[in-house]
Amino acid sequence: QSALTQPASVSGSPGLSITISCTGTSSDVGGYNYVSWYQQHPGKAPKLMIYEVSNRPSGVPNRFSGSKSGNTASLTISGLQAEDEADYYCSSYTSSTTYVFGTGTKVTVL
Amino acid sequence: QVQLQESGPGLVKPSGTLSLTCAVSGDSISSSNWWSWVRRPPGKGLEWIGEIYHSGTTTYNPSLKSRVTISVDKSKNQFSLRLSSVTAADTAVYYCARSAGLKCHDYWGQGTLVTVSS
Repeated sequence: QSALTQPASVSGSPGLSITISCTGTSSDVGGYNYVSWYQQHPGKAPKLMIYEVSNRPSGVPNRFSGSKSGNTASLTISGLQAEDEADYYCSSYTSSTTYVFGTGTKVTVL
Repeated sequence: QVQLQESGPGLVKPSGTLSLTCAVSGDSISSSNWWSWVRRPPGKGLEWIGEIYHSGTTTYNPSLKSRVTISVDKSKNQFSLRLSSVTAADTAVYYCARSAGLKCHDYWGQGTLVTVSS
């Protein structure tokens, strides 16, 4: 299984919005509403930010939102804050009953 | 609060076997969740290794399937990873995680670095 495709880096100024894309295939992203997003700060464990395409776990700010169209999912961070600077990974359940992660995106707050 | 804690050797020799254990607290390993291993090689992204259900049913990443074994010990509320014939490419931070029924990984261990070197 091939990793889902994400941009290597995305940057934005505080207070503005950024969107990270995650492109897969009809066997993963496009075939299931089981796309999740993870935030990872250096030296820390990944943290679940979005599940089932657009649902936020308790405690995750509503500045984080998710969506999907066809084989591409997206994570939008609105009102960007300094603490949002981190690596972000998408993940999808697949037709092989496995999981696949994205290539990862480094978010920089300017 | 669900907590997961990885443990095991931090250094493994090439061609040897990597063995890690994940102790779970705050949830029963026999609950309706699956239990996963994920790794992140230095400078690279996350890679899902595989998962196990308390019944012993497993699913593995096809690219690692021939070398991976995940097992569960219900009496100790923990699960384990074995990766055989390791090379330098298996050097990574290894995480254990809970695979929730909503097909996501909602709780993670803090990770443990395993280096493959002679």
